Amino acid sequence: AQRVTQPEKLLSVFKGAPVELKCNYSYSGSPELFWYVQYSRQRLQLLLRHISRESIKGFTADLNKGETSFHLKKPFAQEEDSAMYYCALSGTSYGKLTFGQGTILTVHP
Amino acid sequence: GAGVSQSPSNKVTEKGKDVELRCDPISGHTALYWYRQSLGQGLEFLIYFQGNSAPDKSGLPSDRFSAERTGGSVSTLTIQRTQQEDSAVYLCASSHLWGSNQPQHFGDGTRLSIL
Repeated sequence: AQRVTQPEKLLSVFKGAPVELKCNYSYSGSPELFWYVQYSRQRLQLLLRHISRESIKGFTADLNKGETSFHLKKPFAQEEDSAMYYCALSGTSYGKLTFGQGTILTVHP
Repeated sequence: GAGVSQSPSNKVTEKGKDVELRCDPISGHTALYWYRQSLGQGLEFLIYFQGNSAPDKSGLPSDRFSAERTGGSVSTLTIQRTQQEDSAVYLCASSHLWGSNQPQHFGDGTRLSIL
């Protein structure tokens, strides 16, 4: 069985502060991991995926297989980063996603 | 269209009625997914289509739920004899190719409310 856990339902930081959204997963194979984001009144969209090893909007995420984690980080948060963030895992060949419960990030001015 | 389109955006209906939710994927996308977002349950997978066939229906919660896809494009999710616990936002997503690392593009969802 595959499972994704995001322990923080709510996370508040001030503009310019570092931010880390935690994600832990449970899966017996080699998962593909993603972060999806939903800004206010917008649709859910892909932020980044671990296979790309890229930085999007200043966010990065490193897959740590030892700790089964895929935490999302940004060194200097911006107000426009305020959104709902979902960590997701794909453990099948066809891309079925298992999502965490989501973390609402609020960046205060 | 530019993105995944879902209709209706909102649906309010009485318990016991049947409802149909529609999804228009991005043109040329072969894989199509339905998810459900409900209070307390988060985002849950319902069904996956590759072309017109549905190799994984494991997330459909009961036999009142069914889905089809025609012409490798539009998909319809049907809920028969709706119950209050069916109230949720139903999301559709598509991807260009099927595969574990393919990004999925989501629609705005249909907010279903059962009275």
